[in-house]
Amino acid sequence: EPEVTQTPSHQVTQMGQEVILRCVPISNHLYFYWYRQILGQKVEFLVSFYNNEISEKSEIFDDQFSVERPDGSNFTLKIRSTKLEDSAMYFCATSERGHEQYFGPGTRLTVT
Amino acid sequence: AQKITQTQPGMFVQEKEAVTLDCTYDTSDQSYGLFWYKQPSSGEMIFLIYQGSYDEQNATEGRYSLNFQKARKSANLVISASQLGDSAMYFCAMRERTQGGSEKLVFGKGTKLTVNP
Repeated sequence: EPEVTQTPSHQVTQMGQEVILRCVPISNHLYFYWYRQILGQKVEFLVSFYNNEISEKSEIFDDQFSVERPDGSNFTLKIRSTKLEDSAMYFCATSERGHEQYFGPGTRLTVT
Repeated sequence: AQKITQTQPGMFVQEKEAVTLDCTYDTSDQSYGLFWYKQPSSGEMIFLIYQGSYDEQNATEGRYSLNFQKARKSANLVISASQLGDSAMYFCAMRERTQGGSEKLVFGKGTKLTVNP
């Protein structure tokens, strides 16, 4: 069964460093999303992406965040200058028609 | 105001028994979707079941069923014949249309289910 994959599974970085989280969507899916889950809290929407542009972003998704689909397959989330409060699990989700969303296994980001 | 409310922070059930996890939602949209996801201790989010607002029948997927009561705005998850492997966090989520015309999921705070042998 096709699935969403994410790399790395765990990233440790120092405050102020840039990180890039990668996602490979299910092949025929056209809608892409990033969500964040701070430890012990609920999952929060960050951004949605369709047709090579951002469809919607939350208030969390400020100027330090960016997304792109650099090569037509990977979907990336970049955090330019990480802060301690960026420590969280980051989930990529993809959807064929914008309805049911399938989540990747997540990347656990730890900012020290 | 919370759009998805899960009032049970934790639930316990005996193996082989059924359990109901509560979820109520708040929306003024006519078209929306409701989801349940399972998150085991390993952290991944596993899609369990989906109910569309116009679906007349309650969704079922194996041992999972969704008790959809539209007038009450509730979408409770029923797990029948609980197994030890069902122990996990369970999140209810609603698909919400955004101002930009796309859709996003809004999640509840989750219910931690523990299945006892």
